[in-house]
Amino acid sequence: GAVVSQHPSRVICKSGTSVKIECRSLDFQATTMFWYRQFPKQSLMLMATSNEGSKATYEQGVEKDKFLINHASLTLSTLTVTSAHPEDSSFYICSANPGNTLHFGNGTRLTVT
Amino acid sequence: TQLLEQSPQFLSIQEGENLTVYCNSSSVFSSLQWYRQEPGEGPVLLVTVVTGGEVKKLKRLTFQFGDARKDSSLHITAAQPGDTGLYLCAGFSGTYKYIFGTGTRLKVLA
Repeated sequence: GAVVSQHPSRVICKSGTSVKIECRSLDFQATTMFWYRQFPKQSLMLMATSNEGSKATYEQGVEKDKFLINHASLTLSTLTVTSAHPEDSSFYICSANPGNTLHFGNGTRLTVT
Repeated sequence: TQLLEQSPQFLSIQEGENLTVYCNSSSVFSSLQWYRQEPGEGPVLLVTVVTGGEVKKLKRLTFQFGDARKDSSLHITAAQPGDTGLYLCAGFSGTYKYIFGTGTRLKVLA
């Protein structure tokens, strides 16, 4: 089955620094990938849709300058949290959909101190 | 705005009991998926339903897609502690965007 790999699984950074999260499709090409944020005990909130070779589409209320998305190849999308602050601490999950079904990475737990 | 409401939000039951989780919307979806997520991990796909009225079974789990493709249910028979987790429904509207339900957190006590 389709596999989506996300790295790192956990990251701790200091306030003001930037953090990059990678999302790779291992056995299929993904022209579109999705980035979600999940707060404790809550559902997934779509942040943005990453499009290979073009600009990402951000959901309302998500700062595109804060959460930079790059989808430079058919197997890799990256999310960079710039100038991170403690309120950015969360669980970030990427996904891709070969066909009509979403396959998820294992998520990245970001803690900003 | 498309919304998927799940009920109940939380459910704590004893091992061996049956339960049903509901996923409701006023929007029509071309397909609907159910996922289970454990803490610190990404959601894992359980099933995809596509046809209105469709029923799919996965061992002790029974999934149903409403006739109008606006709602779905997940029924678990004889729940086990291993069924504990966050259950999420997700609707695909055909615009390459998935709408996630509000989630149901299930705890099965031994």
